[in-house]
Parts: sequence; structure tokens; C-alpha cells
Amino acid sequence: DSGVTQTPKHLITATGQRVTLRCSPRSGDLSVYWYQQSLDQGLQFLIQYYNGEERAKGNILERFSAQQFPDLHSELNLSSLELGDSALYFCASGYRGQGTGELFFGEGSRLTVL
Amino acid sequence: ILNVEQSPQSLHVQEGDSTNFTCSFPSSNFYALHWYRWETAKSPEALFVMTLNGDEKKKGRISATLNTKEGYSYLYIKGSQPEDSATYLCASLNTGNQFYFGTGTSLTVIP
Repeated sequence: DSGVTQTPKHLITATGQRVTLRCSPRSGDLSVYWYQQSLDQGLQFLIQYYNGEERAKGNILERFSAQQFPDLHSELNLSSLELGDSALYFCASGYRGQGTGELFFGEGSRLTVL
Repeated sequence: ILNVEQSPQSLHVQEGDSTNFTCSFPSSNFYALHWYRWETAKSPEALFVMTLNGDEKKKGRISATLNTKEGYSYLYIKGSQPEDSATYLCASLNTGNQFYFGTGTSLTVIP
């Protein structure tokens, strides 16, 4: 158990809908990272938050947004969903803002868009 | 190199064989290099975090080296065991705080 909790584990929805994925980081970790893993693709970095503030942005679509709350949990909002958004979304947490410490991954939220 | 690249994409070895794989990453704006082990139906778990050129790290039968000047890292597994079967991911962190993963090397160790 990595200590990182992601909900929901599975989600099935229709195109055009909006979903929210939630991540609770490991106790004491200030950084939260979101990744997307599509079929046959590696982990695509979406966005990082550190202590409530956006720290780095990767290949995140404009239809997607995220935030980190004062209690350090984070939410990834996906809107106007398309078939291609079907993927496994991972959250990872780390203590420091810089990545010299290892990341701890949640079990992922599998999103299926029909 | 603009992206993090790993090779080979997949590998089958016999139990007891030693093996190694490569991670290539952009050497400019480099900050840290991570290796993760990802078993099927689980989430990635960290093996090593390296920052300095020439760094070598070891954990049991697994070791890794880092060359930041030329932008590559090697992961070595000595005497592979079936339980080593997993996907091995490397990730490069740059000074812009962007963390990029390679697509991984899938290792299957045949008993």
C-alpha cells in the first residue's frame, strides 16, 4: 500500500460528460502529480501541484483542469469527454516540490468513455 | 533527445540470466532520474532516484547507473528471477519541474 488513495477506481460515462477524479496523497506529502496512461502509451505527465499551487504543466488538454485543496487532496476534472479520453489516470505524491524524492503512486482511476 | 526513450520495449530472458536496459533522456535542464518497477495490476513503485553524473545505485540484484552529460541511464538485473517480471519505467525530471516517463521496458523472466 503506497498510502496514496484514488477514487473512483472505475468510471464509465458517455461522451460530452464531465467527471472528477480524486486523489488523497500520502500523509506528509506536499506534491501531487497527475498522469494519464492510454492504451499502448506510457505515462503522460499532465500536471503537478505543490502545497496548493500549480507547479508544472505537461500535456494537459484545455478540457481538463485540476486543483489541490488546503488539505492537500487533489481533484482532476475532465469535461466534454471524448472517446480518446478513455485511459487509466494515476495520481502520485511526493514530499518535496522537486523530484529528488521518490513518487508514490495510487492504484489509478480507470475511465471508460462510451 | 527531446523525450525519454527506453529500450528495448520488451525483453524475454531465462531465469538466471543477467540483463540490462537503457533509458535515454534530454541532458539539458536535467535535475533527476527515477527508475520504477511496475507489476501488472499494481501501481509503479520506486527503485532508484539519481541526480549526480556517475551515480550508481544498487538494491539487491538490481543496480542502475547515470550519465547526465550524455543523457542515459542503465538498469541492470543480475541473475533474473520470475518475480522480476514487470515493466521498468524511467522518468526524467527537468529544472522546469516537469516529470516525464518513458514508455517502459517489459521484462518477462521464463522459469
